[in-house]
Amino acid sequence: SQQGEEDPQALSIQEGENATMNCSYKTSINNLQWYRQNSGRGLVHLILIRSNEREKHSGRLRVTLDTSKKSSSLLITASRAADTASYFCATADDSGAGSYQLTFGKGTKLSVIP
Amino acid sequence: DGGITQSPKYLFRKEGQNVTLSCEQNLNHDAMYWYRQDPGQGLRLIYYSQIVNDFQKGDIAEGYSVSREKKESFPLTVTSAQKNPTAFYLCASSATGQGGLDEQYFGPGTRLTVT
Repeated sequence: SQQGEEDPQALSIQEGENATMNCSYKTSINNLQWYRQNSGRGLVHLILIRSNEREKHSGRLRVTLDTSKKSSSLLITASRAADTASYFCATADDSGAGSYQLTFGKGTKLSVIP
Repeated sequence: DGGITQSPKYLFRKEGQNVTLSCEQNLNHDAMYWYRQDPGQGLRLIYYSQIVNDFQKGDIAEGYSVSREKKESFPLTVTSAQKNPTAFYLCASSATGQGGLDEQYFGPGTRLTVT
């Protein structure tokens, strides 16, 4: 079952602008991860934020997590044409079963226009 | 180079034939995963293995089978029982057996077309 839902489904911006993508989920989580997928390729891990963290940075990426609203956002600052890709959030349920698995959303397709 | 390899990149099969997709990793990771991705969709978990000689069904295991005889290898067989096998298949691994706690490393994928 898919837990994470990204919003918007597609986003088109000019190079240099910031891009913000949102992810909502339904159940209690251990962590939330963001991945990037270039067309026809495998996924690349971007950032992992744990349920007790509120914000995390990595280079031009900023991720926030609001567990009370069950939502996360990914901000890419000063976007480049090379950032054109699909971005997925994935949640690890805090099931307590000891084998947390990732559940992926359907992704946001980002197009950065040069 | 460390990483995950999947072969072949493209695979074409006739309906009714079984086909095996290869996945190898040299990251010394305990856990390995198979996902299916359909156009415009997210990833759905087919099977996962937390340790050698053990594997569990994911959300959409029907019509698929796997083995984990070696730590490095986790082949996926798409059987003729899978009703809609045409898709993009992604293999991944993570350092520990509790996959959601770690980042996952993905292979380049195999695009399977069944006609």
